[in-house]
Amino acid sequence: AQTVTQSQPEMSVQEAETVTLSCTYDTSESDYYLFWYKQPPSRQMILVIRQEAYKQQNATENRFSVNFQKAAKSFSLKISDSQLGDAAMYFCAYIGRWNNAGNMLTFGGGTRLMVKP
Amino acid sequence: DTGVSQDPRHKITKRGQNVTFRCDPISEHNRLYWYRQTLGQGPEFLTYFQNEAQLEKSRLLSDRFSAERPKGSFSTLEIQRTEQGDSAMYLCASSLRGNGANVLTFGAGSRLTVL
Repeated sequence: AQTVTQSQPEMSVQEAETVTLSCTYDTSESDYYLFWYKQPPSRQMILVIRQEAYKQQNATENRFSVNFQKAAKSFSLKISDSQLGDAAMYFCAYIGRWNNAGNMLTFGGGTRLMVKP
Repeated sequence: DTGVSQDPRHKITKRGQNVTFRCDPISEHNRLYWYRQTLGQGPEFLTYFQNEAQLEKSRLLSDRFSAERPKGSFSTLEIQRTEQGDSAMYLCASSLRGNGANVLTFGAGSRLTVL
């Protein structure tokens, strides 16, 4: 079974600085998708960024970028120029390309990001 | 389209009572998912529908839980004889049919507190 691990329960960053959130995963599949979702307090979860495993190029989305290391099964999220609105729970998630795991996302336990003004 | 809607947002009930949650997905989305999220944890998959067919159920979905999507549009999740361990946020999400590239759009969730 696939597992996703986020080893940092909490992270803190100064406004305008850069922070990196870690995620590792375990799978026997060769083709899959990885996601970072953001969940602000009492608000819905939204997609931050997506990476396709067969693409070597790291995904970027404005201030958000990933460092995808397929061999190491590592998928970290870098947030540049942190803003107060970035404060939230961040979840790393995995799904097999061909849904061998049963068509559902597998989530990590989350990292709470605090942004200091 | 305003996204995925869930109702009610909060529900407080006594142990042993039945509760029902409703989810209205994005209208053109064929797939609908239910997840459960306990405090400080990531969401855990419960079940999913493709149109009106329930195609996958997690072991977390005990026989006290039932989900329906009768016309392939909105879905309900009913919990019978609630227990304190059922206290959690119940998240609904929807997506277009596709392969593993599914990008799920989540609702704001329905928080259940069982006293």
